[in-house]
Amino acid sequence: EVQLLESGGGLVQPGGSLRLSCAASGATFSTYAMSWVRQAPGKGLEWVSAISGSGSNTYYSDSVKGRFTISRDNSKNTLYLQMNSLRAEDTAVYYCAKDKDTWGQGTLVTVSS
Amino acid sequence: DIVMTQTPLSLSVTPGQPASISCKSSQSLLHSDGRAYLYWYLQRPGQPPQLLIYEVSNRFSGVPDRFTGSGSGTDFTLKISRVEAEDVGVYYCMQGLQPPLTFGGGTKLEIK
Repeated sequence: EVQLLESGGGLVQPGGSLRLSCAASGATFSTYAMSWVRQAPGKGLEWVSAISGSGSNTYYSDSVKGRFTISRDNSKNTLYLQMNSLRAEDTAVYYCAKDKDTWGQGTLVTVSS
Repeated sequence: DIVMTQTPLSLSVTPGQPASISCKSSQSLLHSDGRAYLYWYLQRPGQPPQLLIYEVSNRFSGVPDRFTGSGSGTDFTLKISRVEAEDVGVYYCMQGLQPPLTFGGGTKLEIK
């Protein structure tokens, strides 16, 4: 059974940067695609970004394209999300997800001055 | 982008009674491989979403058989044959056909 653990969230000022991590255990990490999905307080789910198993293909929502970068280190079983030029509207719980079937507990990112 | 529309916004159901949630996509979710990439999730209060149904009608591991997914093309349905207290939460459909992956707005299920 795959387990995912996000980290790296916190309070950051508008315009600042943050890097989220998602550590995976229990399966062959490099064989499956990974995604980041976020949920603003009291709102629904919004897909943010995805990456193929090898890392060669990446995808982004229009709302984060050019500001966020998804990457993975298969030797460390870890997924990343580098978030730059953060805005108040990026405030959310960020979940990592394996394929579409397993989600982590999430990490809260708050963008505020 | 594919738009996903869920109805109703909320449901209040007596335990033991059935429930049904509709999800419509703005374009067909049928891939050239013959599969339709429609997923259903339940997010219980304070918890991350959990997968219930994948590819329209396949129950994920450990999901009770009272949950049934059906549909094709652009119209999909999640049915709960007999609602239990543990089914409380928000249900989301999601299309996985093409990026950006998109979710329905959610249906909140409450127990009467």
